[in-house]
Amino acid sequence: GAGVSQTPSNKVTEKGKYVELRCDPISGHTALYWYRQSLGQGPEFLIYFQGTGAADDSGLPNDRFFAVRPEGSVSTLKIQRTERGDSAVYLCASSSSGSANEKLFFGSGTQLSVL
Amino acid sequence: AQSVTQLGSHVSVSEGALVLLRCNYSSSVPPYLFWYVQYPNQGLQLLLKYTSAATLVKGINGFEAEFKKSETSFHLTKPSAHMSDAAEYFCAVRPQAGANNLFFGTGTRLTVIP
Repeated sequence: GAGVSQTPSNKVTEKGKYVELRCDPISGHTALYWYRQSLGQGPEFLIYFQGTGAADDSGLPNDRFFAVRPEGSVSTLKIQRTERGDSAVYLCASSSSGSANEKLFFGSGTQLSVL
Repeated sequence: AQSVTQLGSHVSVSEGALVLLRCNYSSSVPPYLFWYVQYPNQGLQLLLKYTSAATLVKGINGFEAEFKKSETSFHLTKPSAHMSDAAEYFCAVRPQAGANNLFFGTGTRLTVIP
């Protein structure tokens, strides 16, 4: 596709439920990032994939959060037993190779609301 | 640890006036520095980046930023604000080696008054 696509754009769920958020990066980009943006804050790093592997998952807040990228393209962020504090915009970004000086291309995000 | 501080969560300027958005970084070694802009209902877009080639960096839409090592700053400027510049601006830092992600500031919301 032309850009990074995230689905759904909005997700409303109840406390305790399981959710999956999808990211479709720019074709050919090997690096994929997930960020979380709370109201009034800058994006906060969650996890970085290089190809199929999670090269850095140091930003995941706890073991309720998990992400996969099985074929090195589409990625899914999975949140178990959601809590109200998980409400935020979840952003996905991709870049060509993951080099430190590279431009990141961001999707429009998924607004997650946990009631 | 890498971090950036953006002074002023909200900045208002008149159309045609100078835009100055402040960013200071914390790093023992000069990192790579970025400014991203987020328009309403859109994803973050790169405005410009500093990668140690030149201290004055020109970006899109007439924006530029100057890297000042002595001040650990990377302030964003534009000589004349346009209504379309109204958005949220984020400064971000990434070390040249050893880390795999951008660290973002808390953002500055720019309002342009007609």
